[in-house]
Amino acid sequence: RKEVEQDPGPFNVPEGATVAFNCTYSNSASQSFFWYRQDCRKEPKLLMSVYSSGNEDGRFTAQLNRASQYISLLIRDSKLSDSATYLCAVNPPSGGYNKLIFGAGTRLAVHP
Amino acid sequence: DVKVTQSSRYLVKRTGEKVFLECVQDMDHENMFWYRQDPGLGLRLIYFSYDVKMKEKGDIPEGYSVSREKKERFSLILESASTNQTSMYLCASSKRGSRYNEQFFGPGTRLTVL
Repeated sequence: RKEVEQDPGPFNVPEGATVAFNCTYSNSASQSFFWYRQDCRKEPKLLMSVYSSGNEDGRFTAQLNRASQYISLLIRDSKLSDSATYLCAVNPPSGGYNKLIFGAGTRLAVHP
Repeated sequence: DVKVTQSSRYLVKRTGEKVFLECVQDMDHENMFWYRQDPGLGLRLIYFSYDVKMKEKGDIPEGYSVSREKKERFSLILESASTNQTSMYLCASSKRGSRYNEQFFGPGTRLTVL
């Protein structure tokens, strides 16, 4: 089993839709969690960190469910510009504060 | 603005060649990382460094080595390139300290080994 797993998608949604992605992780002692966004042929960039209490930034909401070992990303009122691949990242207990393990990404395509 | 730069965007090498990929960051970050990214496999950590001259193996170090002689520079070396090392290589850096410190990525080097 992979340490961090994501549904590869693609998720094809119309503008204005609400879409949610999940990311499961295998090590229950994982320390910290992130969502990164990667545009086609570009480098990943941090979208948001995922705190125990959840995190909201405008149309984006991230949640952590430690009991079921997954993190989620909710995007409300989808825009064309949200089309990208969303990578989740987990800081494993063996990695100190430095190392991240990434999922393979979930591709989102928002259409008019 | 944080900047991580990589020496080449595209590189084509022949099997058996020695390949150097360079990464430079300008934010005085302690941590630097080399990943490779392949379709369906995502980002996999090759090596990372948390200080000058310090290095640690990531998840897939075989066939690679690294060098960190200066804080701002982290080099990835393919001693004898093979076709299965054809991939996108991404360098990243982060500040030491908080567990929520962001990793900043360079634009990537797409390496093709023929």
